[in-house]
Amino acid sequence: EAGVTQSPTHLIKTRGQQATLRCSPISGHTSVYWYQQALGLGLQFLLWYDEGEERNRGNFPPRFSGRQFPNYSSELNVNALELEDSALYLCASSFGGEKLFFGSGTQLSVL
Amino acid sequence: GEDVEQSLFLSVREGDSSVINCTYTDSSSTYLYWYKQEPGAGLQLLTYIFSNMDMKQDQRLTVLLNKKDKHLSLRIADTQTGDSAIYFCAERRPGYSTLTFGKGTMLLVSP
Repeated sequence: EAGVTQSPTHLIKTRGQQATLRCSPISGHTSVYWYQQALGLGLQFLLWYDEGEERNRGNFPPRFSGRQFPNYSSELNVNALELEDSALYLCASSFGGEKLFFGSGTQLSVL
Repeated sequence: GEDVEQSLFLSVREGDSSVINCTYTDSSSTYLYWYKQEPGAGLQLLTYIFSNMDMKQDQRLTVLLNKKDKHLSLRIADTQTGDSAIYFCAERRPGYSTLTFGKGTMLLVSP
């Protein structure tokens, strides 16, 4: 069974640009979570989608947004990129929320 | 406290036992988790424990939970060089479907 897949693996952007990150959950999972892992800050919760709806968001500005599609895959969009957005972005999926399974992440570098 | 606390670093010799400690924030947290992150990879769910349990054993892994002190530990028996990684403790607070993570403990296993 395929795990959580994320694309691209690496993404290089310049300040002010927009980035789009994608995530496909484990088959049968309806929830997708996005986390940011920046150096020295641990994992910070970004967004939670379930059944196509945004259920919760962490303490991030509105330029971080996303959506969940009918097939439960998800996109994370980051507008007006800033240098401090450079981080590993991790997606996780779950059915029922008891266990979260993570993908390998997208390493975003903002120059 | 507001943060899940973990010591930053632990060094052991191959064959020894490793004990990684964590202090979480909410005595009502329903589930407590241990994740492993190897270099360049996402997070792998190692084990988790429900809050009404004191201990859980899974092969070389033993999880101990002290709800009174909000203390969680992960013991790895017969530690191998392949166990070298960052270990994250996480809690699921009541009313939340997201997880709150510590900053991780880097385990270094030397031959």
